[in-house]
Amino acid sequence: EPEVTQTPSHQVTQMGQEVILRCVPISNHLYFYWYRQILGQKVEFLVSFYNNEISEKSEIFDDQFSVERPDGSNFTLKIRSTKLEDSAMYFCASTPGLEGSTEAFFGQGTRLTVV
Amino acid sequence: GDSVTQMEGPVTLSEEAFLTINCTYTATGYPSLFWYVQYPGEGLQLLLKATKADDKGSNKGFEATYRKETTSFHLEKGSVQVSDSAVYFCALTEGWGGSYIPTFGRGTSLIVHP
Repeated sequence: EPEVTQTPSHQVTQMGQEVILRCVPISNHLYFYWYRQILGQKVEFLVSFYNNEISEKSEIFDDQFSVERPDGSNFTLKIRSTKLEDSAMYFCASTPGLEGSTEAFFGQGTRLTVV
Repeated sequence: GDSVTQMEGPVTLSEEAFLTINCTYTATGYPSLFWYVQYPGEGLQLLLKATKADDKGSNKGFEATYRKETTSFHLEKGSVQVSDSAVYFCALTEGWGGSYIPTFGRGTSLIVHP
């Protein structure tokens, strides 16, 4: 069964450092998403991406965040200068991009710890 | 905008008890509704879904019915097991043209004791 894969599963970084979280969406999907879940809290939408550009973003997705699809398979989330409050689980998801195909497929997540 | 409201947790039950986790939603159109489950230390797994009014989603003994009149999608299971201990998220997607962005509730933690 096709699945969304994320690497690494856990990343520890120092405050102020840049991190890149990687995702491989399901191969024939067209829409890609990043979500964040701070420990014990709600799963929050960050950004959606379609046709090589951001289609929607939330207030959380400020200038320190960026997304990219550098090749035909990877979808990355970059945090330029990490803060302690960026510590969270980050989930990547994808959807087929077909009218009526409403299910989002999620990866296992990357746990980011900023120290 | 769209929103999902779930009952506060944790919900603590004994094995074989009946489970209900309430979920209500607010949406502008006709959303699809989902329950996701997150086991300790793991990611989000789709548990069940319903795409139109009166649909019943079911999986692994869990059920939820899409009630448009009450804007609800309550999760039920007749007899819970210790292995059902997890966090359950109600979610909806609404969109068009292929773009569907899930909106999640806060999650409800379920603890099942032997």
